[in-house]
Amino acid sequence: DAGVIQSPRHEVTEMGQEVTLRCKPISGHNSLFWYRQTMMRGLELLIYFNNNVPIDDSGMPEDRFSAKMPNASFSTLKIQPSEPRDSAVYFCASSQTLSAGYTFGSGTRLTVV
Amino acid sequence: AQTVTQSQPEMSVQEAETVTLSCTYDTSESDYYLFWYKQPPSRQMILVIRQEAYKQQNATENRFSVNFQKAAKSFSLKISDSQLGDAAMYFCAYRSALGGSEKLVFGKGTKLTVNP
Repeated sequence: DAGVIQSPRHEVTEMGQEVTLRCKPISGHNSLFWYRQTMMRGLELLIYFNNNVPIDDSGMPEDRFSAKMPNASFSTLKIQPSEPRDSAVYFCASSQTLSAGYTFGSGTRLTVV
Repeated sequence: AQTVTQSQPEMSVQEAETVTLSCTYDTSESDYYLFWYKQPPSRQMILVIRQEAYKQQNATENRFSVNFQKAAKSFSLKISDSQLGDAAMYFCAYRSALGGSEKLVFGKGTKLTVNP
């Protein structure tokens, strides 16, 4: 298996633009997580899905952020409009069982200028 | 809500020596899982070791071992025979064993430097 695949690896965009981050989880994993990592706040859970259904989106900062999982093999995190304070590394991770921990993707470094 | 605390923002160790990274957590649950993740400069998050709370035996993975003290809610990571490739951020994480609580709660991390 190729692991969790995220794209793009880097994204630079101007303030006000729409940004879409993509994630392909490991086949057979039924949970998918979106995290944001910054120096100030560390790793923050934004949202997670179980069997393609959003379970907890309490970490989504505001209405500018939205996430979808239309099927078991694909998820997106969208920011519209983007702001400089959204600059961070965004990780997607997937999991099969509670005891197994997560497998992380390589992350997307987002820079909003 | 569960919290995870890593009290050492930075640690350093000489190559081939042993280092221990500290982690404490707060929970009212009796069944859960604990993890250590490594994040090298490449930023990839790598699972190093995991521990089930119901197991008294400490987990070991090659040069990595944990000291799990359930009553003290402590979960430290010991790295033996440190290598230059061990230099990274290390994150401690907690996960409930309850269904519907799949999320991992992370500590702030400890930056480990390995000196040649």
